[in-house]
Amino acid sequence: NAGVTQTPKFQVLKTGQSMTLQCAQDMNHEYMSWYRQDPGMGLRLIHYSVGAGITDQGEVPNGYNVSRSTTEDFPLRLLSAAPSQTSVYFCASRGSPSLYNYGYTFGSGTRLTVV
Amino acid sequence: GQQLNQSPQSMFIQEGEDVSMNCTSSSIFNTWLWYKQDPGEGPVLLIALYKAGELTSNGRLTAQFGITRKDSFLNISASIPSDVGIYFCAGLRSGGSYIPTFGRGTSLIVHP
Repeated sequence: NAGVTQTPKFQVLKTGQSMTLQCAQDMNHEYMSWYRQDPGMGLRLIHYSVGAGITDQGEVPNGYNVSRSTTEDFPLRLLSAAPSQTSVYFCASRGSPSLYNYGYTFGSGTRLTVV
Repeated sequence: GQQLNQSPQSMFIQEGEDVSMNCTSSSIFNTWLWYKQDPGEGPVLLIALYKAGELTSNGRLTAQFGITRKDSFLNISASIPSDVGIYFCAGLRSGGSYIPTFGRGTSLIVHP
């Protein structure tokens, strides 16, 4: 089925370790974003991309890097994991803005625990 | 930081009751979106609103785009146990990056 695929679904890291959260979409969407979800905080934007080769920071970018070498993939890198990065991470995508087409499609999330 | 105030933060209701929740903002949005997140899953788009005053339904769900463009409302009629989840509003401004601003969510629990 077409959609947004995130891997892994669960991950435990030790403080200081690095890792990459993978996100891939097969809908040829130009726009992709990474959010983190913490209890009571809703969805906060980490980084986003409006097309291959173009990325920008969101609300909470510190400690995370992204790149967009292809339309399909938008990996999120944790450079040196900290307990404050324990969260559920969601990747989302959407097509080019057009009339009546502004909704994002979300992946099922990666649940990350940093100990 | 987030600019949307979503309320209530949580609701505990009996099956069959109607539910109302809302989002307000200090600034204008051109599009309002309502999402539902089932436990352990990602948010799924329920309703999108594109014009001030617009009233749109999706089954038992009805959402409205406020006239001032600074608020939106979601109503669920005759709630059922599968309505359990977190409901998020999101606002977008036209132009720029089209990145939605999300509210903090309303957690809904329905007792059978």
